[in-house]
This record gives sequence, structure tokens and C-alpha cells, in this order.
Amino acid sequence: DTAVSQTPKYLVTQMGNDKSIKCEQNLGHDTMYWYKQDSKKFLKIMFSYNNKELIINETVPNRFSPKSPDKAHLNLHINSLELGDSAVYFCASRAMSTDTQYFGPGTRLTVL
Amino acid sequence: KNEVEQSPQNLTAQEGEFITINCSYSVGISALHWLQQHPGGGIVSLFMLSSGKKKHGRLIATINIQEKHSSLHITASHPRDSAVYICAGYRWGGSQGNLIFGKGTKLSVKP
Repeated sequence: DTAVSQTPKYLVTQMGNDKSIKCEQNLGHDTMYWYKQDSKKFLKIMFSYNNKELIINETVPNRFSPKSPDKAHLNLHINSLELGDSAVYFCASRAMSTDTQYFGPGTRLTVL
Repeated sequence: KNEVEQSPQNLTAQEGEFITINCSYSVGISALHWLQQHPGGGIVSLFMLSSGKKKHGRLIATINIQEKHSSLHITASHPRDSAVYICAGYRWGGSQGNLIFGKGTKLSVKP
């Protein structure tokens, strides 16, 4: 039973398209995150959600929008995809009582 | 300058060697994560520490809060330890916090 799951694992699409990446955690955690890992393997926070409320929004383009239908899900929607959006996107979750984060397997997005 | 700095960037070792990876961080970081990213891409949290020392199997993590420095040690290294090890500082902003990542140390252990 996967604790943090993401779908799809791979996503190849054309510039200008709109796409979504889904994330689900079955750990009962309160906070979920989206991270982007660029071609140089550098990880950076994009968003975090706590109880369906956006808490941190680092300076990412507004083409990216996180959507949380419930506490167990945090989906990432991307409009008008650009070449520079190609990266691996990781979802993670954390319980309020601990700082340990649990990562999903990642989604490799390739924009052609 | 990145808020979390790791060294070395790349590390090659022979099986059995003792390995140390270092991490320095800036003011405002309250806790340190050590993460392991496998060649396949998955990320696993190894340790989270805000003081002292933690040990799990052949892995040991230490942190010196005064010096804002943490180390990850691997004893009796094995080729299966080959991975990228990432130090990440936990920074609190408002009511929640987020991770600030180092650039990672790519470890290759040769048989």
C-alpha cells in the first residue's frame, strides 16, 4: 500500500496544452507539498496545503495551480505548458506532529 | 548563496570505506532532513534532526546547531548505497514550514 502516490508517472505533452498531475496520501497527514526537480536535479518547493488552505506559494508562474478536493489529495494543474516546465514533480505529505516528509514517486513531465 | 550548502558535490568510494557528507545551513533553519534519492528517482527520508545525533543501521547523522552544520556518515559502505544524498533545511514561515534543499551529493560506491 503506497503511502503517497502520484499519477501519472510519466507525462509527455505539447507546448500550450493544459495538464494535471494527481497526488494522494493515505497517511492521514495534514499538510501536502508540491516540489519541482529541474534538469540539474535541484529540488525546490512550489506549494504547500494545510487543511485545504494554501499556506506557502513560492514564486511560481500562475499557470500552476494546486487544487485540493480533500485532505488526502493535492493535485497540480498546469495551464499553457512551456518547454521550461519539463521537470520531475514530487508530491509529499507531513503530519502536524512531525517534520518528517514522505515523498511520492515523482511525475516526469516532458513538454515538446 | 544557497541557504543550504552541501559538500562534496560528487563522491566516489570503494566498498567498505567510511563516508562523510557535509551540510551547512543559514539562520532560520530549524531542523535538518537527510534524504536519499535512488538512481530510479524515488526520494526517501533518512533522518530528521534538530539536535544531537541519530543512527539507523550503517547511517549516522549529526547536527551542530551552534555551527549550523550537519553531517551524514555511512559506515562500511556498499555499492547499494550509491545514490544522491540531499540535505534539506526546514524553515518556518508563518504557521507552517517548508524544506529548503541543498544541491545534493552524488555518491558512487565501487565494489
